[in-house]
Amino acid sequence: ETGVTQTPRHLVMGMTNKKSLKCEQHLGHNAMYWYKQSAKKPLELMFVYNFKEQTENNSVPSRFSPECPNSSHLFLHLHTLQPEDSALYLCASSQDPGGAGYNEQFFGPGTRLTVL
Amino acid sequence: GENVEQHPSTLSVQEGDSAVIKCTYSDSASNYFPWYKQELGKGPQLIIDIRSNVGEKKDQRIAVTLNKTAKHFSLHITETQPEDSAVYFCAASRGTALIFGKGTTLSVSS
Repeated sequence: ETGVTQTPRHLVMGMTNKKSLKCEQHLGHNAMYWYKQSAKKPLELMFVYNFKEQTENNSVPSRFSPECPNSSHLFLHLHTLQPEDSALYLCASSQDPGGAGYNEQFFGPGTRLTVL
Repeated sequence: GENVEQHPSTLSVQEGDSAVIKCTYSDSASNYFPWYKQELGKGPQLIIDIRSNVGEKKDQRIAVTLNKTAKHFSLHITETQPEDSAVYFCAASRGTALIFGKGTTLSVSS
């Protein structure tokens, strides 16, 4: 595997279900991100992890719970979601966002989530 | 907070024509401005970026210009081809994050 991978690619869940999205980066990066992409809206930053530590939570509802066990893996745990949470969830990684300059973010293919 | 405006939202051109997409940002502290291309069913991919100490950058048919005083930057694609059809996003840095524009759907007809 190369780059940033995400599983599953598609997920349909009911509002009472609990599910998790997984992201893995094979680039040796230190920072990982979750974004939400809805139709007609900009990509919305949800969470930032730098060296496994959460450095940003962009006012995301608690029904979304991130987990970063190491610099290569990032999870997004979902519970009691609402239909308006249906969107494409994108994971990204970058080498060192705190370093000199600002480094490119590499995106995964996303998980298309539908909440019924 | 940082706000990035992107125009137009849709752009249709004939193959061989040029395409220009413009973005404005609000945070004068932003110092990194990438452009991403997103094809159907895929995540965004970086196509070109520019930092605040540079006014213009070019990579084959793609160029980006930055006017820090006016807080705007533009993507220029010359000699467009059908495979350039995609959604293009601009972004501006805000600390360790990127704030994205709403995207421009570019359609290149042959």
